[in-house]
Amino acid sequence: SQTIHQWPATLVQPVGSPLSLECTVEGTSNPNLYWYRQAAGRGLQLLFYSVGIGQISSEVPQNLSASRPQDRQFILSSKKLLLSDSGFYLCAWDPGQVVSEAFFGQGTRLTVV
Amino acid sequence: AQSVTQLDSHVSVSEGTPVLLRCNYSSSYSPSLFWYVQHPNKGLQLLLKYTSAATLVKGINGFEAEFKKSETSFHLTKPSAHMSDAAEYFCVVSRGPNFGNEKLTFGTGTRLTIIP
Repeated sequence: SQTIHQWPATLVQPVGSPLSLECTVEGTSNPNLYWYRQAAGRGLQLLFYSVGIGQISSEVPQNLSASRPQDRQFILSSKKLLLSDSGFYLCAWDPGQVVSEAFFGQGTRLTVV
Repeated sequence: AQSVTQLDSHVSVSEGTPVLLRCNYSSSYSPSLFWYVQHPNKGLQLLLKYTSAATLVKGINGFEAEFKKSETSFHLTKPSAHMSDAAEYFCVVSRGPNFGNEKLTFGTGTRLTIIP
């Protein structure tokens, strides 16, 4: 069966520090991968998605970047965090078929102080 | 363009009573619609989806939703609430059956509280 791992679960970082959140998927190959951010009281905002190794699409301009160094690994990064980067970050995958269910990781609660 | 509006940010019901979570959508296409549930500090889980087949969709945990094109609605219901239903619920619209998850638009969520 397929599983998705996302870590860390919680993170407190000072303003200006770097960020690296990692997401890996097991039990499938060539998945579509997604990074979402969920701010308090708001819906999910798609940040990045990837349909293959090295292929990254960004939905909104921001202080963050994403990379997909391996087929089932998706990394969210920042060189210098801002206070506004605080939020709940969710990684998700789907099998690459249209109208397929998206499977979400457990999320990372990021607090920038 | 597409959008989704969840009409209630917070709904409270007593255990054993019916649940109604309201969702209206706007889309220039023939959309696909989803309901996802999120328990505290957890990822989202799919409850049900509508993809242009039967307008009454049954999901997991006794939930169902009806697609009403004339009303542009996709309300989520359950006949009898259980304590374990307490969570955040998201209505989601996709551009249509030929588009992937990168074209999803999420509602702002409805927090469901169950009163013992």
